[in-house]
Amino acid sequence: DAKTTQPNSMESNEEEPVHLPCNHSTISGTDYIHWYRQLPSQGPEYVIHGLTSNVNNRMASLAIAEDRKSSTLILHRATLRDAAVYYCILYDNQGGKLIFGQGTELSVKP
Amino acid sequence: KAGVTQTPRYLIKTRGQQVTLSCSPISGHRSVSWYQQTPGQGLQFLFEYFSETQRNKGNFPGRFSGRQFSNSRSEMNVSTLELGDSALYLCASSLYIDSYNEQFFGPGTRLTVL
Repeated sequence: DAKTTQPNSMESNEEEPVHLPCNHSTISGTDYIHWYRQLPSQGPEYVIHGLTSNVNNRMASLAIAEDRKSSTLILHRATLRDAAVYYCILYDNQGGKLIFGQGTELSVKP
Repeated sequence: KAGVTQTPRYLIKTRGQQVTLSCSPISGHRSVSWYQQTPGQGLQFLFEYFSETQRNKGNFPGRFSGRQFSNSRSEMNVSTLELGDSALYLCASSLYIDSYNEQFFGPGTRLTVL
């Protein structure tokens, strides 16, 4: 299973943008890049996913490097509610099997 | 639309016992996956079911098993419980089994083995 590498923790100030990096140098051509987050005492929550092109949704943006060996999750204006562990996951094309790494614990300061 | 529900939410068992956990996916979702979360190992994939068939299995001993019913509800069973089985067990559902469908997670069942 392809692996991802993320910083253990990051800090942000409220209402500032946050860039969460992820390295996935062993990604295969058919692996989708998924991001999930887990708020305290809750199950993981889907954030965004992409294959090759940059993606935007109401929660975040995903910037994918041209060689696909890295990606960045962008929260445009962090709020206190965004404090969570963020997981970058390579989702293989067999489906159904999310391989979680250790994730990045994001703290947001008021 | 109701989310993924898991029952029970909390469970306390003793070593050697067995336990059955239940998961009801979002209506219309046909794929159900199970994960174990512990402080030491993080989130680990257990198995995935689609249309009553196990499609993927993680690296767990045979004491861990599951099944899916025709209404897509799923159960997982752990036999001969060990202390190390204490964990949060999460269930996730998705429309289909493919890599571009998001998974929706339930709140989990907290299992404590004494």
